[in-house]
Amino acid sequence: KQEVTQIPAALSVPEGENLVLNCSFTDSAIYNLQWFRQDPGKGLTSLLLIQSSQREQTSGRLNASLDKSSGRSTLYIAASQPGDSATYLCAGFTGTASKLTFGTGTRLQVTL
Amino acid sequence: DTGVSQDPRHKITKRGQNVTFRCDPISEHNRLYWYRQTLGQGPEFLTYFQNEAQLEKSRLLSDRFSAERPKGSFSTLEIQRTEQGDSAMYLCASSSKQGAANYGYTFGSGTRLTVV
Repeated sequence: KQEVTQIPAALSVPEGENLVLNCSFTDSAIYNLQWFRQDPGKGLTSLLLIQSSQREQTSGRLNASLDKSSGRSTLYIAASQPGDSATYLCAGFTGTASKLTFGTGTRLQVTL
Repeated sequence: DTGVSQDPRHKITKRGQNVTFRCDPISEHNRLYWYRQTLGQGPEFLTYFQNEAQLEKSRLLSDRFSAERPKGSFSTLEIQRTEQGDSAMYLCASSSKQGAANYGYTFGSGTRLTVV
């Protein structure tokens, strides 16, 4: 069974800290990976898409990496802000339909 | 075009009733996906359309569930004889014809279904 694991499940940090969210996957058939943000009761907002050939993507204060050989991806958030508080989900692409297999997410709270 | 639209945002229904949800993808996107998310979990794949053709369905999509995408535009997801276990957030997403793997998914805001 394809599995995507996210650690930690929850994280609370003071404003201004840099932090790393981890995502690991056991299915070698996962070829690309996308990180999403989800606010309570809302849909998913795309943050970064990493193709296996790229290994790393950056957008503003966010940087995501992908290492297929070890089955790991990380999302680095620099200088965290209270507005970053949300659940962060990683999802791996598989198959010709490009289906996503999601982790259960990391719930982040950034405090003042 | 402001993204993927889903309607309704919330639906409360009694057990045994039928419900239908609608998704309007980004207009130039030919690929459309439905996912289901229960509380505290990541979304799970339900089904996938390329244009009007339903190309893949998950085992999660029991015979009480049916999805359509007439003319390759909007899509509907119908649940017949709803059960309490159907309570979840139903998410729709679309991607361009170059493929989700190349350009990623755009999700809608979801329809939250509560079966009482």
